[in-house]
Amino acid sequence: QSALTQPASVSGSLGQSITISCTGTSSDLGGYDFVSWYQQHPGKAPKLMIYDVTNRPSGVSDRFSGSKSGNTASLTISGLQAEDEADYFCSSYTSSSTYVFGAGTKVTVL
Amino acid sequence: EVQLVESGGGLVQPGGSLRLSCAASGFTFSSYSMNWVRQAPGKGLEWIAYMSSTGNSIFYADSVKGRFTISRDSATNSLYLQMNSLRAEDAALYYCARGLTGSGWDAVAFDIWGQGTMVTVS
Repeated sequence: QSALTQPASVSGSLGQSITISCTGTSSDLGGYDFVSWYQQHPGKAPKLMIYDVTNRPSGVSDRFSGSKSGNTASLTISGLQAEDEADYFCSSYTSSSTYVFGAGTKVTVL
Repeated sequence: EVQLVESGGGLVQPGGSLRLSCAASGFTFSSYSMNWVRQAPGKGLEWIAYMSSTGNSIFYADSVKGRFTISRDSATNSLYLQMNSLRAEDAALYYCARGLTGSGWDAVAFDIWGQGTMVTVS
């Protein structure tokens, strides 16, 4: 199972909006809505930010939103803040009853 | 407080074995599916194993199938990962992660993570 494709890095200024893409295939991301996004700060465990493509767990800021079209999912961070600087990983359930992650996107706040 | 605490990592020679543990607290362990996810130094996340809440369903990534075994003990609220025939490429920080129950599946995402336990193969 190949990893989902994410850009290596995305940057934006304070207060701006950025979008991270995540591309898979019809056997994973395109075939299921079990798409999730994780934030990871250096030396910390991943934190769930979005599940089921668009849902936010309790406590996650509404500045984070998710969407999906075909084989590509996206995470949008609006009103970018300094604490949003982190690595972000997408994940999807697959037709093999496994899970696949993207390689991660480093978000830099300028 | 909902918490997962991994232990059991360490240095092992290639071909050796190691057993990781994950202690769960603050939630009804027997009601949730559980997973192991690993992260090699400076690399991304790799899901490696899933076990349903009852233990009746188990899935593995191809990279560990036949070498790793996931198990759980609801009496002690513990999740385990038995790792055999370890290779250099198995070196990573190993996380246990709780499955989030959602629409039609008991692991639509991983909502609670431990702090990880490091495995070095050398």
